[in-house]
Amino acid sequence: GAGVSQSPSNKVTEKGKDVELRCDPISGHTALYWYRQSLGQGLEFLIYFQGNSAPDKSGLPSDRFSAERTGGSVSTLTIQRTQQEDSAVYLCASSPQFGAPQETQYFGPGTRLLVL
Amino acid sequence: GDSVTQMEGPVTLSEEACLTINCTYTATGYPSLFWYVQYPGEGLQLLLKATKADDKGSNKGFEATYRKETTSFHLEKGSVQVSDSAVYFCALRENSGGYQKVTFGIGTKLQVIP
Repeated sequence: GAGVSQSPSNKVTEKGKDVELRCDPISGHTALYWYRQSLGQGLEFLIYFQGNSAPDKSGLPSDRFSAERTGGSVSTLTIQRTQQEDSAVYLCASSPQFGAPQETQYFGPGTRLLVL
Repeated sequence: GDSVTQMEGPVTLSEEACLTINCTYTATGYPSLFWYVQYPGEGLQLLLKATKADDKGSNKGFEATYRKETTSFHLEKGSVQVSDSAVYFCALRENSGGYQKVTFGIGTKLQVIP
């Protein structure tokens, strides 16, 4: 079946503009994660969804970042008033089952964001 | 809080050399441990995992053993190939307040030269 998909694959924007990144998880997966991968750094956790609710928003770097998930499926990550330091690859992952520590995360290909 | 420490790369090896990428962790409970791999131009994918102490995960010739006494999950391969060139991420997943929190290491880049 289809894996996790993300769109757009690449986004170039000007500083100060808002951007929306989309994630389509694998059908039936209840958990959804957003990460940021900056050049020379590891994976930075941003936010986690269980169904439509987000129990952990601790990773969002500032109040310019927000995310929502509707219908327990598609999620959008919105960055308002983008800054150059927001340039990174934004990765989405989903996993099938809540409460199962051994569950694997399935990653999407990422959205490469460049803020000029 | 939870953390994962892995050796910084890049690691450069000749084909057929032996590989070890160290990974240690700190966690309050009993996490599951994972190695993910990111090949050039591709997304992250699970390489192997172990869910309890002394478990050994293995895949594609790679192995890692969950060592609770040393809080380690080192990745090993006896003979690397050029096709193993990638970035390798160690990760842990722990039940935290009723949900699964995942923490990744910074990633170790492996370059295998012919």
